[in-house]
Amino acid sequence: AQSVTQLGSHVSVSEGALVLLRCNYSSSVPPYLFWYVQYPNQGLQLLLKYTSAATLVKGINGFEAEFKKSETSFHLTKPSAHMSDAAEYFCAVVSSNFGNEKLTFGTGTRLTIIP
Amino acid sequence: KAGVTQTPRYLIKTRGQQVTLSCSPISGHRSVSWYQQTPGQGLQFLFEYFSETQRNKGNFPGRFSGRQFSNSRSEMNVSTLELGDSALYLCASRPAGQGPLFTDTQYFGPGTRLTVL
Repeated sequence: AQSVTQLGSHVSVSEGALVLLRCNYSSSVPPYLFWYVQYPNQGLQLLLKYTSAATLVKGINGFEAEFKKSETSFHLTKPSAHMSDAAEYFCAVVSSNFGNEKLTFGTGTRLTIIP
Repeated sequence: KAGVTQTPRYLIKTRGQQVTLSCSPISGHRSVSWYQQTPGQGLQFLFEYFSETQRNKGNFPGRFSGRQFSNSRSEMNVSTLELGDSALYLCASRPAGQGPLFTDTQYFGPGTRLTVL
């Protein structure tokens, strides 16, 4: 079954520094991968998704992620952190079992921005 | 265009009671999915409805059920509430609703926070 693992439940970076949030996937078939962001007391918002069209995926708010098959990774990056980036980030993969499809989420990474 | 709306936003119930949560998808969206979010288990998929039919299902007991109406609005019901059912319940809708999950984007509502005492 397809799954994702997020390394680091909490990440802190200084304002203006590089943001790197890690996600590794486990899948025996080409995966379909997503990054979502959740701001306090809100639902999830899609940042970007990988559907095998291009390995470097650009999303909203300056985020991007690179699909690396050799490393089974789909890490999320942003060159320069902004205070408004403080939120929880979830990596997710579409998993399928006998035609029953669902989104399987990682455990999340809480990003804190230090002024 | 209005986003996904969920009512109520907050709910307090006691063990053994039952609860119904409501989700109105974005206008024109035909698929509605439900998720449970807890600190311990994270985000877990409950089920998806499309054209009033349950299409996909997660690994939750039968106490969790749902339905979808002809206008695509959906309700989720939890019977015989347990303390562990305390969670944020998120609803998401997607435009086409057809085809695999990766083919279009899910839009999430703000959630209903359920507390079971």
